[in-house]
Amino acid sequence: QKEVEQNSGPLSVPEGAIASLNCTYSDRGSQSFFWYRQYSGKSPELIMSIYSNGDKEDGRFTAQLNKASQYVSLLIRDSQPSDSATYLCAVNPNSGAGSYQLTFGKGTKLSVIP
Amino acid sequence: GAVVSQHPSWVICKSGTSVKIECRSLDFQATTMFWYRQFPKQSLMLMATSNEGSKATYEQGVEKDKFLINHASLTLSTLTVTSAHPEDSSFYICSARVSGQVGGYTFGSGTRLTVV
Repeated sequence: QKEVEQNSGPLSVPEGAIASLNCTYSDRGSQSFFWYRQYSGKSPELIMSIYSNGDKEDGRFTAQLNKASQYVSLLIRDSQPSDSATYLCAVNPNSGAGSYQLTFGKGTKLSVIP
Repeated sequence: GAVVSQHPSWVICKSGTSVKIECRSLDFQATTMFWYRQFPKQSLMLMATSNEGSKATYEQGVEKDKFLINHASLTLSTLTVTSAHPEDSSFYICSARVSGQVGGYTFGSGTRLTVV
């Protein structure tokens, strides 16, 4: 069974610090990786997508992927109170035709303390 | 980007009644729609995958006769919770895969179902 593991937290960081969120996945053949932010009572919103090994930066967010270690992480620089939310790691095992289902981790709750 | 409109955003119903949730793709054709359920402090759990014009594929443990999915057109997919019970109270979210969009998926805004 394909699994995506995250530390549920809560992860508390002071405002302005770097928040580091981690995720591991079991399916070595996974090709697409996503980080979603979910505020309480709302649906997930995409923060980052990453498909190849290495780092991908977008503003204050950096996604890191290491397929050999089956590990994907999200760094949030200069954390703001508005970043307080649950961050979901999601994995899609297929890159071509076929199933496009996402498997979600349980999420890490982040609290940024002013 | 592509938008999926989900309605209602919240609904309260009596035990034993049925509730229909609609997801419409507003500016694209949603060939495939995914339906998720999320209990408090839990992750999104895929319930079923629906493809336009064909029967939905349900995940293990999801009762297909209780959670009826209809995807009759490329812009509308519906989930009907039949004979709802309090344990069906949850947050239901639809998601469509969008070719060419960054990230590839767009989510509806979710429906909070409370069965009393």
